[in-house]
Amino acid sequence: ETGVTQSPTHLIKTRGQQVTLRCSSQSGHNTVSWYQQALGQGPQFIFQYYREEENGRGNFPPRFSGLQFPNYSSELNVNALELDDSALYLCASSLARTSRSSYNEQFFGPGTRLTVL
Amino acid sequence: TQLLEQSPQFLSIQEGENLTVYCNSSSVFSSLQWYRQEPGEGPVLLVTVVTGGEVKKLKRLTFQFGDARKDSSLHITAAQPGDTGLYLCAGAGEETSGSRLTFGEGTQLTVNP
Repeated sequence: ETGVTQSPTHLIKTRGQQVTLRCSSQSGHNTVSWYQQALGQGPQFIFQYYREEENGRGNFPPRFSGLQFPNYSSELNVNALELDDSALYLCASSLARTSRSSYNEQFFGPGTRLTVL
Repeated sequence: TQLLEQSPQFLSIQEGENLTVYCNSSSVFSSLQWYRQEPGEGPVLLVTVVTGGEVKKLKRLTFQFGDARKDSSLHITAAQPGDTGLYLCAGAGEETSGSRLTFGEGTQLTVNP
């Protein structure tokens, strides 16, 4: 059984650029959630995808967007990068019975460290 | 907005000591998860509690979910240097769609040999 993987590991961009981060979910999981973790803080929920549909969004602007593919892998896209977007971006996968399931254990990938200069 | 407050924020103790980390909220959670995170890595799930009053033990770690499902605690007995890390509690809400996790700010634990 393969765990959650993310790519790239590290990324350096400049303000105004765009970035795409990738996540492969754990085998058998159908839900992917993305979180942003600034230095010294707990992760903040960005959005979640359940069976290729967005299923909840946190307090992040529209320049944060995502996709989930038929194999349940996912992408996070961030446009018009700002300095404050520098953070560790975490992807978590889980297996949910329905889109409203509130109890399912989430397993995290190692994260992508994004630095915006 | 559901908020989780963790305390203490930082904890530095000697090997062999006991410690407790607290996670409190004014909101009810359907489940609560505890994670441990090492620098530069993703959080690793330690335990999930779902029933009010539930107590789970994992070797030297004891996790408790409050009766009202608003708070939780993590107790470590005879801490070891290998326990060093960032401990995060995260709740899944009753009234939100999906299973978004609301995280606390974390407790940075350092166990000195």
